[in-house]
Parts: sequence; C-alpha cells; structure tokens
Amino acid sequence: GAGVSQSPSNKVTEKGKDVELRCDPISGHTALYWYRQSLGQGLEFLIYFQGNSAPDKSGLPSDRFSAERTGGSVSTLTIQRTQQEDSALYLCASSGTSQEKLFFGSGTQLSVL
Amino acid sequence: AQRVTQPEKLLSVFKGAPVELKCNYSYSGSPELFWYVQYSRQRLQLLLRHISRESIKGFTADLNKGETSFHLKKPFAQEEDSAMYYCAPHPLSGAGSYQLTFGKGTKLSVIP
Repeated sequence: GAGVSQSPSNKVTEKGKDVELRCDPISGHTALYWYRQSLGQGLEFLIYFQGNSAPDKSGLPSDRFSAERTGGSVSTLTIQRTQQEDSALYLCASSGTSQEKLFFGSGTQLSVL
Repeated sequence: AQRVTQPEKLLSVFKGAPVELKCNYSYSGSPELFWYVQYSRQRLQLLLRHISRESIKGFTADLNKGETSFHLKKPFAQEEDSAMYYCAPHPLSGAGSYQLTFGKGTKLSVIP
C-alpha cells in the first residue's frame, strides 16, 4: 500500500471488554512499532518487531497488552479487559532499510467507557 | 537508560520571530537524532535528522554533544509551522538499539 494503514480508526468499547487493533505496514518494511499517544504524555513506546527476531516487549504497560505479527507483515495489538486508562491514540509505524526513519499510520483512537 | 527531555510543553511565538524548540538527551554511546512533526489532522512524520545536516522547511538542528542537546531552530516562524514537535534520539548500537524513544513533545503555536 501507499502507507501504513491502521484499523479501525476509532474504537469505543466498554470497560472490561477485549479489543484488537490492526496495523498494515508498508510492504517490504521489516521493522514495526506500536506507540501510544495520550493527552499530555507524548509518545509511549509499546512494542517493536524486527523481521523474525523476538519482539522487544519492554514497553507494554501490563500483561493485558499483547501483540503479534504474522508472516512478518500485519500486526495486531490486543488489549484484554480494557480499563479507562487505556483510552489513547494507538499508533503503528514501520521502517525499511533505513531503520531509523519511521512511517506512521493515522492511528486508532481507543475510548474505553 | 535512554532519556529525552523537551522542557517546553507549549511554545508560542509571533509570526516572523525566531523559534527554538529545545531537546536534551541522555544516552550511552552516540545516538542519531531526529525531529518528527505532527501537523493538525495529519500523521506524525519525519522532519529532519542530524546526520543529513539538512534544512527542511527552514528548520535546522545542531547536535551539541557537549551539552547533549539537539535543539530545533528556525529564524522566522510561519503560521504553517504550528504543530506538535517531537525529538527522538536513536542509539546507533547496543541493546534496544531500535527502540526509538520520543520526547513528550512541544506544541508550537505561531501567532499571526
């Protein structure tokens, strides 16, 4: 595709429900990142995938958060038993051969009621 | 530990005035430095990186290793510069070397 695609663009859920957020990176990009952007908190790193290597999960805030990347392409971020503090904009980014330059998606705005 | 500080949450300047967005970092080793920008209703995107030594949209950023700073500067601010700016140091090697850490961001508001 032309860019990083995230779906859904908006998600409203009830506290305690599970949600899945999807990211389609730019074709051929080997690195994929998830970030969370909360009001006044800047960008918070969540998880990083690089090729077939074990992901860097050091930024996941709790064990309710998990992510996978199938076939080295599409990634899904899952939040179980959502809490109100999970409400934020979840951003996905990918990068290719120049590892450092990230291309961001438009994000999924998650609202937990 | 990797740490990046953008001391100003909000910076307001008049059109035509110089602007400087501050960024200080704390890293082991020599990082590469990036500035990302997010305009209203647009995606976060790369503005510039220090290794390229380029000027984008009139902005420049100088890496000062002694002060561990990478401040973003523009001599004459324009209204279209109003956006959220994020500093992002990136270590070139070592554990977690691909974890791009962002500062909390500075919202630049250019007053007409």
